Amino acid sequence: RKEVEQDPGPFNVPEGATVAFNCTYSNSASQSFFWYRQDCRKEPKLLMSVYSSGNEDGRFTAQLNRASQYISLLIRDSKLSDSATYLCVVDNSGGYQKVTFGIGTKLQVIP
Amino acid sequence: GAVVSQHPSWVICKSGTSVKIECRSLDFQATTMFWYRQFPKQSLMLMATSNEGSKATYEQGVEKDKFLINHASLTLSTLTVTSAHPEDSSFYICSAKELAGEPYEQYFGPGTRLTVT
Repeated sequence: RKEVEQDPGPFNVPEGATVAFNCTYSNSASQSFFWYRQDCRKEPKLLMSVYSSGNEDGRFTAQLNRASQYISLLIRDSKLSDSATYLCVVDNSGGYQKVTFGIGTKLQVIP
Repeated sequence: GAVVSQHPSWVICKSGTSVKIECRSLDFQATTMFWYRQFPKQSLMLMATSNEGSKATYEQGVEKDKFLINHASLTLSTLTVTSAHPEDSSFYICSAKELAGEPYEQYFGPGTRLTVT
């Protein structure tokens, strides 16, 4: 089983739609979780951290389910500018503050 | 704040030559820098962790003699791909961790696209 698993997509959704991505992780000792956004041929940029209690930032909501070892990202009212690849990132609890990236889920918002 | 630069942004070199990539934290001090590689349609794979003033720690399967890392100051780390071959063609991205930052918070450089012909 991969350390971090994501459905690579692509997810094609119309503008204004709500879309959700899940990501599963294998290391039950992981404590820190993040969603990054990566545009084509660019570096990843932090979208949001994922807290145990869940957190919301505008149209974006992140949730953590420790029992089932997955995190989710919900995007409401999708915009064309949301088109990107969303990377799930999990600390690998192996020291040196290292993290493991998922393959990313590609989102294409269509007009 | 928290800007990381990489140079060059892209490079084409001939097989057998060496290429040096620089990673700089422009407005903060970074005790730790990470080097990643990303092949098309694949996830970022950590190659090595670079700590200022000490030897880099390489991930399993990454040849330390081929990918030379130097972290001579709190704002600069370099990755040298020695005797590059076409299979080394990839997107190389560095990230830097701020000295007083959150444990897993890291800032990414814009990446260097290496093509070996």
